[in-house]
Amino acid sequence: NAGVTQTPKFQVLKTGQSMTLQCAQDMNHNSMYWYRQDPGMGLRLIYYSASEGTTDKGEVPNGYNVSRLNKREFSLRLESAAPSQTSVYFCASSADRANQPQHFGDGTRLSIL
Amino acid sequence: DQQVKQNSPSLSVQEGRISILNCDYTNSMFDYFLWYKKYPAEGPTFLISISSIKDKNEDGRFTVFLNKSAKHLSLHIVPSQPGDSAVYFCAAKFSGDKLTFGTGTRLAVRP
Repeated sequence: NAGVTQTPKFQVLKTGQSMTLQCAQDMNHNSMYWYRQDPGMGLRLIYYSASEGTTDKGEVPNGYNVSRLNKREFSLRLESAAPSQTSVYFCASSADRANQPQHFGDGTRLSIL
Repeated sequence: DQQVKQNSPSLSVQEGRISILNCDYTNSMFDYFLWYKKYPAEGPTFLISISSIKDKNEDGRFTVFLNKSAKHLSLHIVPSQPGDSAVYFCAAKFSGDKLTFGTGTRLAVRP
């Protein structure tokens, strides 16, 4: 049981390049999330999707777009990467039932030069 | 405004002793609290949770305590083991809303 799978694990970009981070879950969860983790900042929510076809902004959405391709997949796109977007990105999913914990992927470490 | 705070960036404990990790929150609307554990190069994994209607929840070596009047929760690990060395995040939410995470505490358990 793979759980939440993120690709790629590492990526280096130049400023201005575009990139899509992929996330897929096999737990039949409706809700999916994208976070970024920066030193001393904890995990901050970028975007989330409560169900297939819906997306909403989180705490730090600027510079990002998302697509909920189907129930399994939720992608995060950087259209024009900036050094401030250097971070570790985590995807998570959760079941709809109240107070179900989120399950996380192993992250994508993204460096923008 | 940091609504969930973990004021100790790091903690070092001898193997076999108790580890106590603390978390404070400011939003009185929070009604559900979770602890996640994170190893390097891995995603956070859910450890234990507590609803605001309780003041204690146990799962094996892990116990979470909630003090609503002080807006404080703590995670106790007894006895601590070297495999418990990780970063611990507390998180909070209120009904139907999204999780708010603390900044994490790095626990080192010395053999």
